[in-house]
Amino acid sequence: QSVLTQPPSASGTPGQRVTISCSGSRSNIGGNTVNWYQQLPGTAPKLLIYSNNQRPSGVPDRFSGSKSGTSASLAISGIQPEDEADYYCATWDDSLNGPVFGGGTKLTVL
Amino acid sequence: QVLLVQSGAEVKKPGAAVKVSCTASGYSFTTYYMQWVRQAPGQGLEWMGMINPTGGSSNYAHKFQGRVTMTRDASTRTVYMELRNLRSDDTAVYYCARGAPGPGPPAYWGQGTLVTVSS
Repeated sequence: QSVLTQPPSASGTPGQRVTISCSGSRSNIGGNTVNWYQQLPGTAPKLLIYSNNQRPSGVPDRFSGSKSGTSASLAISGIQPEDEADYYCATWDDSLNGPVFGGGTKLTVL
Repeated sequence: QVLLVQSGAEVKKPGAAVKVSCTASGYSFTTYYMQWVRQAPGQGLEWMGMINPTGGSSNYAHKFQGRVTMTRDASTRTVYMELRNLRSDDTAVYYCARGAPGPGPPAYWGQGTLVTVSS
């Protein structure tokens, strides 16, 4: 069971906006910044969002992140077929003294 | 650019040990902790621990304490993760991953090393 809680699945048709949630507690999301990763089948996770809402160079601006209290969200505006992947949130946990991950959300583009 | 290159796939028998390497390039090796994360087939990401390349101190997740050792060789910019007393449920892809200078989740990931534990 993961420390951070994500919905196991999400879906949408091309062009729609999809949001993925990530719920934690005061010891993790509540006091630290959140990263989001995209994992395509058979590949390593790729950093999508860091520091709650910052995009690394090369990540399309249809991906955005936000955080409020002990929860965070990833939004994908205008989803495309190539966005079909697993998405994970992660942050530092002050009690565990290490990073913690969400269980992952499988995005299906219908 | 930051590049983390891991050693190749391994097949081990239950009770054996495996040692996975991760060679870093494209940044100051001693500035950033290196973390190890594993992913069992069809499962999510699980943090195993991390090592400070400067002094070699390490911090392991409670679940792996006593079974895992992380070391580094600064001269070759390589970190190692050894997992002992392997069980079938240790079958997973093992990733090295570099974070920020301070506490935080990983940013850059190696390509992963598949470790299969089977009799």
